Parts: sequence; C-alpha cells; structure tokens
Amino acid sequence: EAGVVQSPRYKIIEKKQPVAFWCNPISGHNTLYWYLQNLGQGPELLIRYENEEAVDDSQLPKDRFSAERLKGVDSTLKIQPAELGDSAVYLCASSLAGPYNEQFFGPGTRLTVL
Amino acid sequence: AQSVTQLGSHVSVSEGALVLLRCNYSSSVPPYLFWYVQYPNQGLQLLLKYTSAATLVKGINGFEAEFKKSETSFHLTKPSAHMSDAAEYFCAVSLGGFQKLVFGTGTRLLVSP
Repeated sequence: EAGVVQSPRYKIIEKKQPVAFWCNPISGHNTLYWYLQNLGQGPELLIRYENEEAVDDSQLPKDRFSAERLKGVDSTLKIQPAELGDSAVYLCASSLAGPYNEQFFGPGTRLTVL
Repeated sequence: AQSVTQLGSHVSVSEGALVLLRCNYSSSVPPYLFWYVQYPNQGLQLLLKYTSAATLVKGINGFEAEFKKSETSFHLTKPSAHMSDAAEYFCAVSLGGFQKLVFGTGTRLLVSP
C-alpha cells in the first residue's frame, strides 16, 4: 500500500513569491493534516480536514496561508507571499476517520525562502 | 493546555548499549502519549502509544515505554541499541483522541559502533 505522497520534496524560492505544496493521502483516509516543522522543533498542526471540510484551522496563519481539499482526497497548501521565516518542513499526514486512528506521515516538503 | 518536555536534544550511545530517551508530560487529565521516530528525509512513524490500558507499552523495533503518573513521565527505552536506531525521536501528547497531537522538540539519537 502506498504511503502519503508529497510533492515537491524540496523547494527554494525568493521572499514575496508564492509557493504551493501538494499532498495525496493514503487511499481511504478521510482525515488529512498539514503540519509545520521548524528546524529543531516538533511538528505543529496547521489544519485538519475531515473530507472536504476544514474542521480545525485555528493555527493556520490566514493572512498568507491557505489550504484546500476540493474533492476530499488530495490537498494543497499555499503560501502567498512567502517570508524568510516560512523556511521549514511542511508535513502532510492522513488517517482513517474517527478520533482514535493513527496518523501516517508523508516525507514532507522542505521549503527554503531566500 | 497539555505539553511534553523532552530532556536532551541529543543522546549518544554505543551499539549494544541501553537507550533511554526522556519525556515528561503536563496535562490536567489523563492523556494519551505517543513516541514517533523520524529517519532522515522521511516522515514520522509511530513507535508506540499509551492509551490508559497497560502502563508498560511495547512498540516496534524493540522499543518500549512506561507510563508513570506519579512522575508524569513516559520515557522510551530499548535494551540494546542498533546502528539503525539512529534517528530523531519525538514524544507527543493528546487529549480526547489521537487527532490533536502536541509534539516535543525531539531528541536525536546517535549510535556509535
């Protein structure tokens, strides 16, 4: 069974440019998460989807970050415009629906903002 | 709010030695506790979890952890380190399910021959 797929794996952009990350969850996983992992830190939840609905986006900086999961499968996380402080790894995870199912993580996208 | 503290950003052991990674939690109610491992350029993988059943939890790759309420600890151990155990380890806590994980800052385990 394929795991969580993320692309690109690495992205280098200049500040003020837009950037987008894509995530394809494990087949059948209705719940999808986006995390931010700064260097030397643990992951921090940005947003959680149940199917197409964002049920927890309290930690998403909505002035520059946006996310979508239009058909309840793939998801895109966007930053516009990017700032130097956005340099980090962006992780996607997915799980079966329900509160007691393990989260499976993708390899992440490492963003460098110059 | 719940949180976890991982003592030691780096732990070095020799191959075959005991591995002990420390995690203390803060929670006003009984929490769920997790240990994840992250290999270079890979996502996090669940090692084990505590869900208020047995206090000694066994996980994958020979790891285990013991929940000690009196010490608010959930330390990760492995009797004999292997070179392949070198990775970053994260402790995490959640309340009311597995969906709202709060991670510690991680401990990098270095294993020398």
